[in-house]
Amino acid sequence: EVQLVESGGGLVQPGGSLRLSCAASGFMFSGYAVNWVRQAPGKGLEWVSSFSGRDGSTNYADSVKGRFSISRDNSKNTLYLQMHSLRAEDTAVYYCAKGGLDLWDGPMYYFDYWGQGTLVTVSS
Amino acid sequence: EIVLTQSPGTLSLSPGERATLSCRASQSVSSNYIAWYQQKPGQAPRLLIYGASSRATGIPDRFSGSGSGTDFTLTISRLEPEDFEVYYCQQYGGSPWTFGQGTKVEIK
Repeated sequence: EVQLVESGGGLVQPGGSLRLSCAASGFMFSGYAVNWVRQAPGKGLEWVSSFSGRDGSTNYADSVKGRFSISRDNSKNTLYLQMHSLRAEDTAVYYCAKGGLDLWDGPMYYFDYWGQGTLVTVSS
Repeated sequence: EIVLTQSPGTLSLSPGERATLSCRASQSVSSNYIAWYQQKPGQAPRLLIYGASSRATGIPDRFSGSGSGTDFTLTISRLEPEDFEVYYCQQYGGSPWTFGQGTKVEIK
Protein backbone atom coordinates (compact mmCIF):
# COMPACT_ATOMS: atom_id res chain seq x y z
CA GLU A 1 0.00 0.00 0.00
CA VAL A 2 1.37 3.37 -1.04
CA GLN A 3 1.70 5.80 1.86
CA LEU A 4 2.99 9.37 1.99
CA VAL A 5 3.31 11.09 5.35
CA GLU A 6 4.23 14.76 5.54
CA SER A 7 5.69 16.50 8.57
CA GLY A 8 7.41 19.75 9.50
CA GLY A 9 4.61 22.25 9.09
CA GLY A 10 3.85 24.95 11.64
CA LEU A 11 3.72 28.65 12.37
CA VAL A 12 6.61 30.76 11.09
CA GLN A 13 7.18 34.49 10.88
CA PRO A 14 7.44 36.29 7.55
CA GLY A 15 10.99 35.99 6.24
CA GLY A 16 11.54 32.77 8.16
CA SER A 17 12.45 29.28 7.04
CA LEU A 18 10.93 25.84 7.38
CA ARG A 19 11.73 22.35 6.10
CA LEU A 20 9.00 19.90 5.20
CA SER A 21 9.54 16.15 4.97
CA CYS A 22 7.55 13.42 3.25
CA ALA A 23 8.17 9.80 4.20
CA ALA A 24 7.16 7.41 1.44
CA SER A 25 6.48 3.69 1.51
CA GLY A 26 4.82 1.00 -0.56
CA PHE A 27 6.48 1.74 -3.90
CA MET A 28 9.93 1.96 -5.48
CA PHE A 29 10.63 5.52 -4.40
CA SER A 30 13.64 6.09 -6.66
CA GLY A 31 11.68 5.17 -9.78
CA TYR A 32 9.02 7.87 -9.64
CA ALA A 33 8.75 11.62 -9.69
CA VAL A 34 7.73 13.05 -6.33
CA ASN A 35 6.09 16.41 -5.96
CA TRP A 36 4.80 19.14 -3.67
CA VAL A 37 1.38 20.68 -4.24
CA ARG A 38 -0.17 23.30 -1.96
CA GLN A 39 -3.61 24.64 -1.20
CA ALA A 40 -4.18 27.96 0.49
CA PRO A 41 -7.16 28.08 2.89
CA GLY A 42 -10.40 27.99 0.92
CA LYS A 43 -8.56 28.08 -2.41
CA GLY A 44 -7.65 25.71 -5.22
CA LEU A 45 -4.61 23.53 -5.84
CA GLU A 46 -1.22 24.94 -6.85
CA TRP A 47 1.73 22.84 -7.99
CA VAL A 48 4.91 23.89 -6.15
CA SER A 49 7.83 21.67 -7.15
CA SER A 50 8.81 18.31 -8.64
CA PHE A 51 11.82 16.01 -8.41
CA SER A 52 12.22 13.58 -11.27
CA GLY A 53 12.78 9.93 -10.53
CA ARG A 54 14.52 9.40 -13.85
CA ASP A 55 17.24 12.01 -14.33
CA GLY A 56 17.37 13.88 -11.02
CA SER A 57 15.97 17.06 -12.53
CA THR A 58 13.92 19.48 -10.49
CA ASN A 59 11.51 22.24 -11.34
CA TYR A 60 9.62 24.91 -9.48
CA ALA A 61 6.63 27.19 -9.81
CA ASP A 62 7.63 30.78 -10.50
CA SER A 63 6.00 31.80 -7.21
CA VAL A 64 8.61 29.86 -5.19
CA LYS A 65 11.63 29.79 -7.49
CA GLY A 66 14.76 31.00 -5.71
CA ARG A 67 13.16 30.62 -2.27
CA PHE A 68 12.24 26.92 -2.10
CA SER A 69 14.47 23.92 -2.71
CA ILE A 70 13.32 20.34 -3.28
CA SER A 71 15.51 17.35 -2.49
CA ARG A 72 15.16 13.63 -1.96
CA ASP A 73 17.02 10.91 -0.08
CA ASN A 74 16.38 7.65 -1.90
CA SER A 75 18.11 5.67 0.89
CA LYS A 76 15.49 6.95 3.34
CA ASN A 77 12.56 7.09 0.87
CA THR A 78 12.06 10.69 1.91
CA LEU A 79 11.28 13.89 0.02
CA TYR A 80 12.06 17.32 1.40
CA LEU A 81 11.04 20.91 0.74
CA GLN A 82 13.31 23.59 2.19
CA MET A 83 11.48 26.89 2.30
CA HIS A 84 13.19 30.26 2.84
CA SER A 85 12.03 33.89 2.82
CA LEU A 86 8.50 32.79 3.61
CA ARG A 87 5.64 35.15 2.86
CA ALA A 88 2.05 35.36 4.04
CA GLU A 89 0.94 34.09 0.63
CA ASP A 90 2.86 30.85 1.24
CA THR A 91 0.32 29.94 3.94
CA ALA A 92 -1.24 26.68 2.80
CA VAL A 93 -1.61 22.97 3.33
CA TYR A 94 1.38 21.38 1.61
CA TYR A 95 0.77 17.96 0.08
CA CYS A 96 3.37 15.46 -1.01
CA ALA A 97 2.23 13.58 -4.11
CA LYS A 98 3.62 10.64 -6.06
CA GLY A 99 3.86 10.99 -9.80
CA GLY A 100 2.33 8.49 -12.18
CA LEU A 101 4.00 6.27 -14.73
CA ASP A 102 3.36 5.61 -18.40
CA LEU A 103 4.60 2.32 -19.82
CA TRP A 104 5.97 4.03 -22.92
CA ASP A 105 6.75 7.60 -21.82
CA GLY A 106 8.01 6.85 -18.33
CA PRO A 107 7.45 9.07 -15.27
CA MET A 108 4.42 11.34 -15.53
CA TYR A 109 3.46 14.44 -13.61
CA TYR A 110 -0.08 13.56 -12.71
CA PHE A 111 -0.47 12.72 -9.04
CA ASP A 112 -1.84 9.29 -8.23
CA TYR A 113 -1.20 9.17 -4.48
CA TRP A 114 -1.24 12.02 -1.98
CA GLY A 115 -0.31 12.47 1.64
CA GLN A 116 -2.67 13.95 4.19
CA GLY A 117 -0.90 17.33 4.04
CA THR A 118 0.89 19.55 6.54
CA LEU A 119 -0.21 23.11 7.32
CA VAL A 120 2.26 25.95 6.99
CA THR A 121 1.15 29.28 8.45
CA VAL A 122 3.25 32.38 7.80
CA SER A 123 2.23 35.12 10.19
CA SER A 124 3.69 37.50 12.72
CA GLU B 1 2.08 28.67 -18.84
CA ILE B 2 -1.13 26.83 -19.76
CA VAL B 3 -4.16 28.31 -18.03
CA LEU B 4 -7.03 25.92 -17.37
CA THR B 5 -10.54 27.33 -17.04
CA GLN B 6 -13.20 25.09 -15.53
CA SER B 7 -16.91 25.61 -16.01
CA PRO B 8 -19.33 25.93 -14.49
CA GLY B 9 -18.04 27.11 -11.14
CA THR B 10 -20.91 25.35 -9.40
CA LEU B 11 -23.17 22.64 -10.77
CA SER B 12 -26.46 22.00 -8.96
CA LEU B 13 -27.90 18.58 -9.69
CA SER B 14 -29.88 15.78 -8.06
CA PRO B 15 -28.70 12.25 -7.28
CA GLY B 16 -29.08 10.03 -10.33
CA GLU B 17 -28.57 12.88 -12.79
CA ARG B 18 -25.70 13.20 -15.23
CA ALA B 19 -22.93 15.72 -14.51
CA THR B 20 -20.79 17.28 -17.25
CA LEU B 21 -17.78 19.30 -16.16
CA SER B 22 -15.67 21.28 -18.61
CA CYS B 23 -11.98 22.15 -18.60
CA ARG B 24 -10.67 24.46 -21.32
CA ALA B 25 -6.95 25.08 -21.84
CA SER B 26 -5.41 28.33 -23.07
CA GLN B 27 -3.33 26.32 -25.56
CA SER B 28 -3.25 22.77 -26.80
CA VAL B 29 -2.23 20.25 -24.13
CA SER B 30 0.57 17.99 -25.31
CA SER B 31 -0.46 14.34 -25.71
CA ASN B 32 -3.80 15.23 -24.06
CA TYR B 33 -2.06 14.99 -20.69
CA ILE B 34 -5.07 15.99 -18.60
CA ALA B 35 -5.94 14.58 -15.17
CA TRP B 36 -9.06 15.01 -13.06
CA TYR B 37 -9.25 14.92 -9.26
CA GLN B 38 -12.01 14.84 -6.69
CA GLN B 39 -11.56 16.55 -3.34
CA LYS B 40 -13.69 16.18 -0.23
CA PRO B 41 -13.51 18.81 2.55
CA GLY B 42 -10.47 18.38 4.76
CA GLN B 43 -9.03 15.61 2.59
CA ALA B 44 -6.34 15.31 -0.03
CA PRO B 45 -7.42 15.17 -3.66
CA ARG B 46 -8.06 11.78 -5.24
CA LEU B 47 -7.02 10.98 -8.80
CA LEU B 48 -9.98 10.01 -10.99
CA ILE B 49 -8.75 10.25 -14.58
CA TYR B 50 -5.36 10.60 -16.28
CA GLY B 51 -4.39 10.84 -19.93
CA ALA B 52 -7.74 12.58 -20.51
CA SER B 53 -9.70 9.31 -20.48
CA SER B 54 -8.01 6.57 -18.44
CA ARG B 55 -9.64 5.79 -15.12
CA ALA B 56 -7.36 5.50 -12.11
CA THR B 57 -7.27 2.34 -10.01
CA GLY B 58 -10.50 1.73 -8.12
CA ILE B 59 -12.49 4.52 -9.74
CA PRO B 60 -16.09 3.53 -10.58
CA ASP B 61 -17.03 3.39 -14.25
CA ARG B 62 -19.66 6.10 -13.82
CA PHE B 63 -16.69 8.50 -14.07
CA SER B 64 -15.39 9.07 -17.59
CA GLY B 65 -13.11 11.58 -19.25
CA SER B 66 -12.95 12.76 -22.83
CA GLY B 67 -11.57 15.50 -25.02
CA SER B 68 -8.48 16.55 -26.88
CA GLY B 69 -6.46 19.62 -27.75
CA THR B 70 -7.89 22.42 -25.61
CA ASP B 71 -11.31 21.07 -24.57
CA PHE B 72 -11.78 18.33 -22.01
CA THR B 73 -14.77 16.93 -20.15
CA LEU B 74 -15.35 14.90 -17.02
CA THR B 75 -18.70 13.11 -17.03
CA ILE B 76 -20.37 11.45 -14.06
CA SER B 77 -23.10 9.32 -15.62
CA ARG B 78 -25.35 8.95 -12.56
CA LEU B 79 -24.56 11.00 -9.49
CA GLU B 80 -24.26 9.12 -6.24
CA PRO B 81 -24.53 10.97 -2.88
CA GLU B 82 -20.77 10.69 -2.37
CA ASP B 83 -20.05 12.46 -5.68
CA PHE B 84 -21.17 15.89 -4.50
CA GLU B 85 -17.67 17.34 -4.07
CA VAL B 86 -15.18 19.65 -5.76
CA TYR B 87 -13.43 18.56 -8.96
CA TYR B 88 -10.18 19.87 -10.44
CA CYS B 89 -8.55 19.34 -13.80
CA GLN B 90 -4.76 19.47 -14.20
CA GLN B 91 -2.47 19.53 -17.21
CA TYR B 92 0.92 17.81 -17.18
CA GLY B 93 1.78 18.26 -20.83
CA GLY B 94 4.20 21.08 -20.13
CA SER B 95 5.81 22.66 -17.09
CA PRO B 96 4.60 24.40 -15.03
CA TRP B 97 1.93 21.80 -14.29
CA THR B 98 -1.26 23.75 -13.71
CA PHE B 99 -4.70 23.17 -12.21
CA GLY B 100 -8.07 24.59 -13.03
CA GLN B 101 -9.87 26.61 -10.37
CA GLY B 102 -12.34 23.81 -9.61
CA THR B 103 -16.00 22.96 -10.11
CA LYS B 104 -18.21 22.30 -7.12
CA VAL B 105 -20.98 19.75 -7.67
CA GLU B 106 -23.73 20.43 -5.16
CA ILE B 107 -27.07 18.82 -4.36
CA LYS B 108 -29.99 20.67 -5.92
